[in-house]
Amino acid sequence: EAGVVQSPRYKIIEKKQPVAFWCNPISGHNTLYWYRQNLGQGPELLIRYENEEAVDDSQLPKDRFSAERLKGVDSTLKIQPAELGDSAVYLCASSPRLAGFQETQYFGPGTRLLVL
Amino acid sequence: AQSVAQPEDQVNVAEGNPLTVKCTYSVSGNPYLFWYVQYPNRGLQFLLKYITGDNLVKGSYGFEAEFNKSQTSFHLKKPSALVSDSALYFCAVRDIGSSNTGKLIFGQGTTLQVKP
Repeated sequence: EAGVVQSPRYKIIEKKQPVAFWCNPISGHNTLYWYRQNLGQGPELLIRYENEEAVDDSQLPKDRFSAERLKGVDSTLKIQPAELGDSAVYLCASSPRLAGFQETQYFGPGTRLLVL
Repeated sequence: AQSVAQPEDQVNVAEGNPLTVKCTYSVSGNPYLFWYVQYPNRGLQFLLKYITGDNLVKGSYGFEAEFNKSQTSFHLKKPSALVSDSALYFCAVRDIGSSNTGKLIFGQGTTLQVKP
């Protein structure tokens, strides 16, 4: 079974430029997550989708970040414009939807973003 | 608010010796607890989880963790460490509180160094 796929793996951009990350979850997984991992820290949730609906985007900086999951499968996370502080690893995860939040989240390899 | 603490930034053990990576948590209700491992330039790999039942949970690669409700701990253990176990380990708790988002809250991570 294929795991969570993310692209690109690395991205270097100048500040104020736009950038987009793509994620394809494990087949059959209804729930998709975007996390940001700053250097030396654990991941922090940005947004969670149940199928195509964003059910938790409270941590997403909406002035510059946007995300979509139009057909309930793959997803795109965008930053426009990027700032120096956005340099981090952006992780996508997916899980099947089980009652009571008992499901395991499976992570992709991440996209390492460097903003210069 | 839910939180996770990993009190050690780094743990050093000799190959063949037992290892312990510590984790304590704070939740308002019953915790769902997870351990993940991260190798350089890779995403997080699921090791094991505690939802309910037996306090000793067995996971991948010979790892196990013991849930201790009175001490609010969920320490990761392995009887005999391998050099290939050297990586960054994250403990996480599932937020199933009033906000009902189900998001994972991660600790800061502990680097495990196993020396030959």
